[in-house]
Amino acid sequence: GQQVMQIPQYQHVQEGEDFTTYCNSSTTLSNIQWYKQRPGGHPVFLIQLVKSGEVKKQKRLTFQFGEAKKNSSLHITATQTTDVGTYFCAGLNTGNQFYFGTGTSLTVIP
Amino acid sequence: DGGITQSPKYLFRKEGQNVTLSCEQNLNHDAMYWYRQDPGQGLRLIYYSQIVNDFQKGDIAEGYSVSREKKESFPLTVTSAQKNPTAFYLCASSMSDLSPLHFGNGTRLTVT
Repeated sequence: GQQVMQIPQYQHVQEGEDFTTYCNSSTTLSNIQWYKQRPGGHPVFLIQLVKSGEVKKQKRLTFQFGEAKKNSSLHITATQTTDVGTYFCAGLNTGNQFYFGTGTSLTVIP
Repeated sequence: DGGITQSPKYLFRKEGQNVTLSCEQNLNHDAMYWYRQDPGQGLRLIYYSQIVNDFQKGDIAEGYSVSREKKESFPLTVTSAQKNPTAFYLCASSMSDLSPLHFGNGTRLTVT
């Protein structure tokens, strides 16, 4: 069945260090979305990638969609304490269902 | 302000009882979804509805039921047949299949 895996599951960084989470799908995706969930909160949409090889930036966040549309990454440059939370990717398969990754929980140590 | 309202925030039930979680949206979105979140497992799709009076099973629909009688409302019933109902339940809506999901604040259900 459809699987979307994310690594790592947990990441602790010192404030100012960079952070990357990777998302891998067992099947080709139509598009991929990224969400952030603060502790105790609900997921909030960050960005959507549609094209093969697409790269998008939001301030210190850089999102990439793989050439084969099976993987994606989120990179945060110079983390801040406000970046704390769990980051989820969600891939849309050919059946038009979103499958969420397992999430990467980011802790930023001041 | 437009958004999705889930109620209640916390819910406690005894084993063997059915319980209904409320989800209302005023975003005029056609599609609505129910997800279950367990620690370390991400979000898993229970049911989704793309239009009024129609809904589809997700990956983990067993032990759950839904209805979509109005565009604004998509209640989820957790039945006594659900083997492990204690979890955080999230309702979401979107304008279409390809649009971002807007989530409610969630309901944390504890069954003892």
